Amino acid sequence: QVQLAESGGGVVQTGGSLRLSCAASGFSVSNYGMHWVRQAPGKGLEWVALIRHDGNDAFYADSVKGRFTISRDNSKNTLYLQMSSLRAEDTAVYYCVKVHDYVWGILGYWGQGILVTVSS
Amino acid sequence: DIVLTQTPLSSPVTLGQPASISCKSSQSLAHSDGNTYLSWLHQRPGQPPRLLIYKISNRFSGVPDRFSGSGAGTDFTLYISRVEAEDVGVYYCMQATQFPYTFGQGTKLDIK
Repeated sequence: QVQLAESGGGVVQTGGSLRLSCAASGFSVSNYGMHWVRQAPGKGLEWVALIRHDGNDAFYADSVKGRFTISRDNSKNTLYLQMSSLRAEDTAVYYCVKVHDYVWGILGYWGQGILVTVSS
Repeated sequence: DIVLTQTPLSSPVTLGQPASISCKSSQSLAHSDGNTYLSWLHQRPGQPPRLLIYKISNRFSGVPDRFSGSGAGTDFTLYISRVEAEDVGVYYCMQATQFPYTFGQGTKLDIK
């Protein structure tokens, strides 16, 4: 069955960088679009980024465009989110999400999430 | 960006009774491919969200049939026919018709 395991979170200083990983099992990340969605403490959900199934394009929220990069390593079956120039407002739990039925807009399978804290 | 407005923001319900949540969009969610990418998700405390309904009215795998969705254009509704204790938590609508994908602010469902 589909399993997604995020890692790489932690505490980072304002302006710093961090790379999140999402190890996938039960399917190949090369075949599906994948998303990152985040949730600030006590707040609602915010879509962050999508990478196409073919990896040829990616889409970002304006709040992270130019600072975050979504990518994947098919050989490791892993999704990544490289985050730089981090701000306090990037503090959140970050979820890795697999689409359902090859449709980008159906966020079917969610990881448990990983907490990123940006502190000055 | 498309703004999704959910009502109510909080809903105390009695076990066994029905419940509904409304989600109104700032613009039509009809996509040029003929689909409407409006989903509903449920998040229990301390848990990740899980998909309940996609494309307005399609139940995701394993979702009980007491959950249903309806709507079109800019107005959508999630229905729970008979609320059970495990249904507590926060419900979100989400649109994926246009980038950036956006979520409603969430509706907290709890038991009276």
